[in-house]
Amino acid sequence: NAGVTQTPKFQVLKTGQSMTLQCAQDMNHNSMYWYRQDPGMGLRLIYYSASEGTTDKGEVPNGYNVSRLNKREFSLRLESAAPSQTSVYFCASSEWTGDYEQYFGPGTRLTVT
Amino acid sequence: GENVEQHPSTLSVQEGDSAVIKCTYSDSASNYFPWYKQELGKGPQLIIDIRSNVGEKKDQRIAVTLNKTAKHFSLHITETQPEDSAVYFCAASNSGGYQKVTFGTGTKLQVIP
Repeated sequence: NAGVTQTPKFQVLKTGQSMTLQCAQDMNHNSMYWYRQDPGMGLRLIYYSASEGTTDKGEVPNGYNVSRLNKREFSLRLESAAPSQTSVYFCASSEWTGDYEQYFGPGTRLTVT
Repeated sequence: GENVEQHPSTLSVQEGDSAVIKCTYSDSASNYFPWYKQELGKGPQLIIDIRSNVGEKKDQRIAVTLNKTAKHFSLHITETQPEDSAVYFCAASNSGGYQKVTFGTGTKLQVIP
């Protein structure tokens, strides 16, 4: 099992460029999440998908869009990148019952210049 | 929404000493409290969790305590080792069909050999 995988690992964008961060999980989890991590701010939820076919805004959704492509994949898109979106982005997945643990990917370090 | 405060933001201890990290939460409906450890360059990983019907839980050198009345919960690490050096996050959640978790801002623990 690879767990949660994210691509790319690193990315540098210029202001106004767009890009999509990819996330996939092989644990057959229903729920998936996107977080950003900034120094002193902890992990903040951008968007989540409780199940295939549904997505909802989290704490900091502005400037982002998401797509739950299928049960395995959940992508995050920046349509017009801004320097304020410089951050480390983590994808996570979890199941509904029993084990509530969120399993995190290795992260994508994004710099917007 | 839920607000989780975490203290201290940094903590240095001598190897073999104990470390304590404290968190408070605001939403009395929260009933699940996980703790995650993040090593450098990696995603967070669950190390222990506690549910609101339990006051204390131990796993080897790690223990968590929960005071529902005061809305406090704490992580205790005994006999610290250099490999305990990492960033630790507390979190709170109102468990349901999915886990929308609110994280604290993190504590960077340094264990000095």
